[in-house]
Amino acid sequence: EIVLTQSPATLSVSPGDRATLSCRASQGVGSNLAWYQQKPGQAPRLLIYDASTRATGIPARFSGSGSGTEFTLTISSLQSEDFAVYYCQQFSNWPLTFGRGTKVEIK
Amino acid sequence: EVQLVQSGAEVKRPGATVKISCKASGYTFIDYYIHWVQQAPGKGLEWVGLVDPEDTDPIYAENFQGRVTITADTSTDTAYMELSSLSSADTAVYFCAAGERQAVPDYWGQGTLVTVSS
Repeated sequence: EIVLTQSPATLSVSPGDRATLSCRASQGVGSNLAWYQQKPGQAPRLLIYDASTRATGIPARFSGSGSGTEFTLTISSLQSEDFAVYYCQQFSNWPLTFGRGTKVEIK
Repeated sequence: EVQLVQSGAEVKRPGATVKISCKASGYTFIDYYIHWVQQAPGKGLEWVGLVDPEDTDPIYAENFQGRVTITADTSTDTAYMELSSLSSADTAVYFCAAGERQAVPDYWGQGTLVTVSS
């Protein structure tokens, strides 16, 4: 199965700053990658699919890039509601797999 | 508005079977794939499997193959996940999720906590 490695595990950021999250795949997945946001006690929320397409209703401050094995989620100016855990997920091969997550916390 | 409403929390003994439901509304049930995802306490997300409500052949993750059965009832717009031979390792929140695209779950249920304890 494809292993997704997210880094860093925890990212401390001040409100208004930019956050850059990384996801590396153990083998190429093309652009078949999604990003999710999860807050405590809530279900995940789809942010990005096809590596760079924002899901419906997702603010423009969220952007995704990359292809193959290296992907990035960028939050251009962190808002208070953005502090959460972010997961990447590949859908190139079965089984679908998720990374272990990056926690974005307030600095 | 797409909504997925899951059944309530369950407590089961080791070796038992649990069946969780996921009631869909706000879209045409057969148009979206339904996924199930496990999240153990304090841990990340693990994909369990999916079903196409129009198809009879679900796809399961190897880690759950042989113990999980995912079904969809088009008469009630409800999907189900049944997990057997439960152990403490199965203690987790289980989410159902739906998506138009086969492998990208767009909409998620609220989650169902399954606790396995003797």
